[in-house]
Amino acid sequence: DGGITQSPKYLFRKEGQNVTLSCEQNLNHDAMYWYRQDPGQGLRLIYYSQIVNDFQKGDIAEGYSVSREKKESFPLTVTSAQKNPTAFYLCASSIERITYNEQFFGPGTRLTVL
Amino acid sequence: DAKTTQPNSMESNEEEPVHLPCNHSTISGTDYIHWYRQLPSQGPEYVIHGLTSNVNNRMASLAIAEDRKSSTLILHRATLRDAAVYYCILRGGISNFGNEKLTFGTGTRLTIIP
Repeated sequence: DGGITQSPKYLFRKEGQNVTLSCEQNLNHDAMYWYRQDPGQGLRLIYYSQIVNDFQKGDIAEGYSVSREKKESFPLTVTSAQKNPTAFYLCASSIERITYNEQFFGPGTRLTVL
Repeated sequence: DAKTTQPNSMESNEEEPVHLPCNHSTISGTDYIHWYRQLPSQGPEYVIHGLTSNVNNRMASLAIAEDRKSSTLILHRATLRDAAVYYCILRGGISNFGNEKLTFGTGTRLTIIP
């Protein structure tokens, strides 16, 4: 079945450590996105990518980094510079740069910093 | 981004219709109205979108006011599986680099009473 997978589902990290969250899609979508969700809040955009080898900062990119070496993959690294990384992280993709197209979301990764 | 206003929470009885309102008085002529829903601990799921005319799909109906300053998502016969947070989002129809994000508010938490 086509879709978006994120791994792991739960992730624990010690303060000061970098951690990478995986996002893979087999929908042949050009655009991919990373969002962060805090309890009781909506989603906020971290980074997005419209095409391979290109990506742009979203609203809250500080302390995060991404890469887009393959169309199917858009990993997110949470660095030690991110001051409050504990959150629910969601990856999404859409077919192309037409904004009325729907975005498809993965199941999310819940990151907890100990 | 143009903003939307939704009630924080609503309740409905199972097997009855549900009308979820959304106000968007600053909507522009090219903004599409999107609805997503998010079940607990899952990624958001696309529900429906529209521009001017009312829209129907297998999940729901979208009724758009003639002046487009408000809209209503209609679930025709609510089930327990419809309990979720529902987000009303405006998105520009023409893709501009940096304009592809979904701006989520806090949405409406829908509770279904058995």
